[in-house]
Amino acid sequence: AQSVSQHNHHVILSEAASLELGCNYSYGGTVNLFWYVQYPGQHLQLLLKYFSGDPLVKGIKGFEAEFIKSKFSFNLRKPSVQWSDTAEYFCAVRSYGQNFVFGPGTRLSVLP
Amino acid sequence: ETGVTQTPRHLVMGMTNKKSLKCEQHLGHNAMYWYKQSAKKPLELMFVYNFKEQTENNSVPSRFSPECPNSSHLFLHLHTLQPEDSALYLCASSQDMAGANGYTFGSGTRLTVV
Repeated sequence: AQSVSQHNHHVILSEAASLELGCNYSYGGTVNLFWYVQYPGQHLQLLLKYFSGDPLVKGIKGFEAEFIKSKFSFNLRKPSVQWSDTAEYFCAVRSYGQNFVFGPGTRLSVLP
Repeated sequence: ETGVTQTPRHLVMGMTNKKSLKCEQHLGHNAMYWYKQSAKKPLELMFVYNFKEQTENNSVPSRFSPECPNSSHLFLHLHTLQPEDSALYLCASSQDMAGANGYTFGSGTRLTVV
């Protein structure tokens, strides 16, 4: 069965620092990849998704993610974080014909 | 608002109570889902409905009973819950089971079992 791991449970950064959150999945077939964000007290929102084509995907709010098939990874990046990026970030993977599998989440705290 | 509305936002219930969680979407989506979100654990898929038919029950205890009267509404009936069932219960919907555009989530119901 598909599994998704996220490298860090809690990341603390200062404003303007660069961000990279790791995501790895286990199943090597055709996958669709997603990053969701959950701001404090709010619902899960889709940040970006990858289906096919250019492995570098750009999402909302300046986020991007790169799909590296050989590494089974889909890391999330942002060049310069803001205090408002404080949230929990979830990677999700959908294998063909299967339901979504979510990672455990990474909590990002950005210090002003 | 996401287009997926969950009520109530917060619920406190005793172990002998019976309560229901409600989810409503008017996005024209055909698939609806219940997830459980507990602290420090991955989102746990509970139930999947496609065109009102349950397509997946992810080994959920029978004290959780879903109901999907139509493609726009989804309920989760709760009875004789345990304290470890306290969590955030999330409803989601997608256009179809393929979920090509991802899921749209509601804000959740924060459940506390006392």
